[in-house]
Amino acid sequence: AQKITQTQPGMFVQEKEAVTLDCTYDTSDPSYGLFWYKQPSSGEMIFLIYQGSYDQQNATEGRYSLNFQKARKSANLVISASQLGDSAMYFCAMSSYFGNEKLTFGTGTRLTIIP
Amino acid sequence: NAGVTQTPKFQVLKTGQSMTLQCAQDMNHEYMSWYRQDPGMGLRLIHYSVGAGITDQGEVPNGYNVSRSTTEDFPLRLLSAAPSQTSVYFCASRFFLTGGESPLHFGNGTRLTVT
Repeated sequence: AQKITQTQPGMFVQEKEAVTLDCTYDTSDPSYGLFWYKQPSSGEMIFLIYQGSYDQQNATEGRYSLNFQKARKSANLVISASQLGDSAMYFCAMSSYFGNEKLTFGTGTRLTIIP
Repeated sequence: NAGVTQTPKFQVLKTGQSMTLQCAQDMNHEYMSWYRQDPGMGLRLIHYSVGAGITDQGEVPNGYNVSRSTTEDFPLRLLSAAPSQTSVYFCASRFFLTGGESPLHFGNGTRLTVT
């Protein structure tokens, strides 16, 4: 069974600072994928970034990067130069390459950017 | 490009009533799914489908039915609504790649209240 743990229920960060959102996972699958989603107060779910378990380099998408440490089973999201529009809930999720019918989500971190 | 369209956006039901949440996607995705989002619990998978005529249960399927007669549509039926089904429901779809790296595309959600 897969499990995602997000230990930070809420975070407050000053605008323009970098922020790291923690995500640890547990799986016995040899191949898997890790995702981050953003949910603003308007409610929609927005895909941010993906990291495959066999990818050699950490994924980056604009101001988002994924700090993937396979041995520690962590997949932290780093947002550089935070903006007010980054205030939202952030969810970490994982899928398995075998039996990939399900995306398992963590409980989320609410990020608030302070001007 | 409509993406994933869910209707209705809001719904109030009385205990025991039935209803259908509609979901349609125009991206030719093989995989479609329904999640429910409850405070502090992240998103939990209700049912999913990997193609027309194929459906399967997720982790919280009780009280819900689904069918997949076409690639585009994946309705979720509440058979006899209960207050425990008060939640926000998301329909999501993606390409069903064997690598599991395809991200989910979400609809905008349906906020359901059962009184």
